[in-house]
Amino acid sequence: QSALTQPPSASGSPGQSVTISCTGTSSDVGGYNYVSWYQQHPGKAPKLMVYEVSRRPSGVPDRFSGSKSGNTASLTVSGLQAEDEADYYCSSYAGSNNLVFGGGTKLTVL
Amino acid sequence: QVQLVQSGAEVKKPGASVRVSCKASGYTFTDYYTHWVRQAPGQGLEWMGWINPNSGDTKYAQKFQGRVTMTTDTSINTAYMELSRLRSDDTAVYYCARVPGGPRYDSDCWGQGTLVTVSS
Repeated sequence: QSALTQPPSASGSPGQSVTISCTGTSSDVGGYNYVSWYQQHPGKAPKLMVYEVSRRPSGVPDRFSGSKSGNTASLTVSGLQAEDEADYYCSSYAGSNNLVFGGGTKLTVL
Repeated sequence: QVQLVQSGAEVKKPGASVRVSCKASGYTFTDYYTHWVRQAPGQGLEWMGWINPNSGDTKYAQKFQGRVTMTTDTSINTAYMELSRLRSDDTAVYYCARVPGGPRYDSDCWGQGTLVTVSS
């Protein structure tokens, strides 16, 4: 499976909203509602922010929201805060019990 | 609390094997799959495969088939990932993560990571 495609970088000012895309194919993102998003700060393990396209685990602020259209999933971070600066990765079930990750997006809070 | 604690950093020579352990606590180990994910320095996340501790069933990413073996010891709630015929590009932080299983592939708990360095 090929990695999902994410923009290498994204940025926004505090209080603004930013959207990160994650493009796959009909064999992964487009074929299943099992897209997840992870936040990773430098030197730390990833943290689950969104699962099953748009569901948030307990404790994740509602400033983080997920959606999907066709073969592209998106993560929107509203009301940007300094602590949101991190790397973000999407992942998707890819059929036949496989998982695939995106290449990651570095979010900078200006 | 739910926790996954991994073994310490390793330095290996090319061609050798490495085994990383992942001890689970705070939940019923056999109720969740254990996935393994690695991250090369400055690079993204790469999925390696999973094991179902309840059945011993495994699924490996095609890239690692023939070189990776995932096992568990349910008596001590520990999962293991062994990677053989190491190359320099296997240098990475290796993570274990718990996954609910079934159709879900999201991980709400990750280990702290284990740095494996492959160098002659």
